[in-house]
Amino acid sequence: DQQVKQNSPSLSVQEGRISILNCDYTNSMFDYFLWYKKYPAEGPTFLISISSIKDKNEDGRFTVFLNKSAKHLSLHIVPSQPGDSAVYFCAASGPPRGSTLGRLYFGRGTQLTVWP
Amino acid sequence: NAGVTQTPKFRVLKTGQSMTLLCAQDMNHEYMYWYRQDPGMGLRLIHYSVGEGTTAKGEVPDGYNVSRLKKQNFLLGLESAAPSQTSVYFCASRGGTDTQYFGPGTRLTVL
Repeated sequence: DQQVKQNSPSLSVQEGRISILNCDYTNSMFDYFLWYKKYPAEGPTFLISISSIKDKNEDGRFTVFLNKSAKHLSLHIVPSQPGDSAVYFCAASGPPRGSTLGRLYFGRGTQLTVWP
Repeated sequence: NAGVTQTPKFRVLKTGQSMTLLCAQDMNHEYMYWYRQDPGMGLRLIHYSVGEGTTAKGEVPDGYNVSRLKKQNFLLGLESAAPSQTSVYFCASRGGTDTQYFGPGTRLTVL
């Protein structure tokens, strides 16, 4: 059962415009959310995160928005650049932590292509 | 500070052969994880470890074994490889936060 869903497998955006990647989750216990970026033949790299006590977190061109009532988060990239072309994974975690995983539940990813 | 490293980067096996994938981290992290990534499937957790000498099953553990004899190393073993284990394998580690840091991956093909 997929607890984190990225319903758009791909997104194509022109350079300079905004990219919006979406993610939905089903588990109301999730309280921490992350976005990872992955280039071909490389491992995922951490991009930005947000705790459930916030509804927005910003880091340069990247902003993550969290709507807890809708169980939805989104990643905004402004302005988009060709180097942003990659697969973006949404991930979530929640209690219990401690001796259990603190595991991350991943979505299936969205391939972002930014064209000149 | 190399972060998380994985060896080998590529490997081709025949059905029934065995191999071990090595993951090493130099961040003194307690938690380590093995994932596999298949097209359209995202990252699926195979096994994990919450500390030296401990291991546990993730969501797709069948056909794999792991060991964590040293805090910095996490080994993933395939005793009898099958074509269904053709995948890209990622190791990750984390410290006191929920953020996991990933290695570069091992691309395994089982013929």
